[in-house]
Amino acid sequence: EAGVVQSPRYKIIEKKQPVAFWCNPISGHNTLYWYRQNLGQGPELLIRYENEEAVDDSQLPKDRFSAERLKGVDSTLKIQPAELGDSAVYLCASSLPSGSSYNEQFFGPGTRLTVL
Amino acid sequence: AQSVTQLGSHVSVSEGALVLLRCNYSSSVPPYLFWYVQYPNQGLQLLLKYTSAATLVKGINGFEAEFKKSETSFHLTKPSAHMSDAAEYFCAVRNQGGKLIFGQGTELSVKP
Repeated sequence: EAGVVQSPRYKIIEKKQPVAFWCNPISGHNTLYWYRQNLGQGPELLIRYENEEAVDDSQLPKDRFSAERLKGVDSTLKIQPAELGDSAVYLCASSLPSGSSYNEQFFGPGTRLTVL
Repeated sequence: AQSVTQLGSHVSVSEGALVLLRCNYSSSVPPYLFWYVQYPNQGLQLLLKYTSAATLVKGINGFEAEFKKSETSFHLTKPSAHMSDAAEYFCAVRNQGGKLIFGQGTELSVKP
């Protein structure tokens, strides 16, 4: 079974340019997460989807970041315009519905963004 | 609010030596605790999790962790390090909203 797929794996852009990341979760996983991992730190949740609904986007900088999961499967995370401080690894993860018990989150390999 | 603190951003051991990676948590409710491993240029992989069952949790690759409520700790151990264990290790706690809160990470180096 394929794991979580992310593309691109690496992206280098100049500041003020837009950028988009794509994620395809594990088949059957209703819950999808986007995390940002700064260098030398642990991942921090940006947004969580249950199917196509964003149920937790409190940490998403909404002035420049947006995300969508139109059909409840694939998801796209966009930054426009990018700033130097956005350089990080953007991780996507998926799981069965979280509900009241823990369901393991499976992580993709991430997209390493460098903003020059 | 839940949080985790990993003591030591970098740990170096010799091959065959004991691995001990420290994690202390803060939680107002019985916690769910996790250890993840991240190899270079890869995503995170779950090593093991504590969900209020047995306090000694065994995971993959020979790792285990012990939940100690009195010490608010969930340290990760492995009796004998292999070169392939070199990676970044993250401790995490699940908050009441279901969100994972990660520690800063500990980079494990294994010397031949």
